[in-house]
Amino acid sequence: AQSVAQPEDQVNVAEGNPLTVKCTYSVSGNPYLFWYVQYPNRGLQFLLKYITGDNLVKGSYGFEAEFNKSQTSFHLKKPSALVSDSALYFCAVRGNNAGNNRKLIWGLGTSLAVNP
Amino acid sequence: EAGVTQFPSHSVIEKGQTVTLRCDPISGHDNLYWYRRVMGKEIKFLLHFVKESKQDESGMPNNRFLAERTGGTYSTLKVQPAELEDSGVYFCASSQGVSEAFFGQGTRLTVV
Repeated sequence: AQSVAQPEDQVNVAEGNPLTVKCTYSVSGNPYLFWYVQYPNRGLQFLLKYITGDNLVKGSYGFEAEFNKSQTSFHLKKPSALVSDSALYFCAVRGNNAGNNRKLIWGLGTSLAVNP
Repeated sequence: EAGVTQFPSHSVIEKGQTVTLRCDPISGHDNLYWYRRVMGKEIKFLLHFVKESKQDESGMPNNRFLAERTGGTYSTLKVQPAELEDSGVYFCASSQGVSEAFFGQGTRLTVV
């Protein structure tokens, strides 16, 4: 069965420091991987995705993520955190198996707090 | 370009009542999805429309939930009768082809 794990409920970093939000997945075949962010009182916003190609994916707001097939991980990173990055981050996976199955399987989310 | 719009943003209803949530996808997007997040748990898939057809409804919890997408445009999700465990945030998303899904702001449903 497909699954996504975000092992940290909360991540705290100081502004200006690098941040990492962890995600590991389990899916048959080659995965499509996504990160979404939810700011307070807002909907889910797409940040970035990995489909194929370069393992390092760059997305919105200076975020990037690295696909690691051997470790089945897709950690979200940013070199220098901003207070405005404080939000709830979700990792999601979609299998690329045959058919029109496009549903996303989600992690529980990680709350990121960036302290000034 | 308008994003995915959901209405209402909040709804508080009593157990046993009926509630209808509405989603207007991004114009031209054939794929429309409904997801739900119950407090403290992961976001879960409910169903997927391709145009007006239900492609996958494997996530619908039970027959108290009915989703429609008339004419392949907007979609409604009706819960009848609502139960306490139906409380949560209902997200709608749309996509075109195999591209990423774009989400609405969600409807927070509280059943009391």
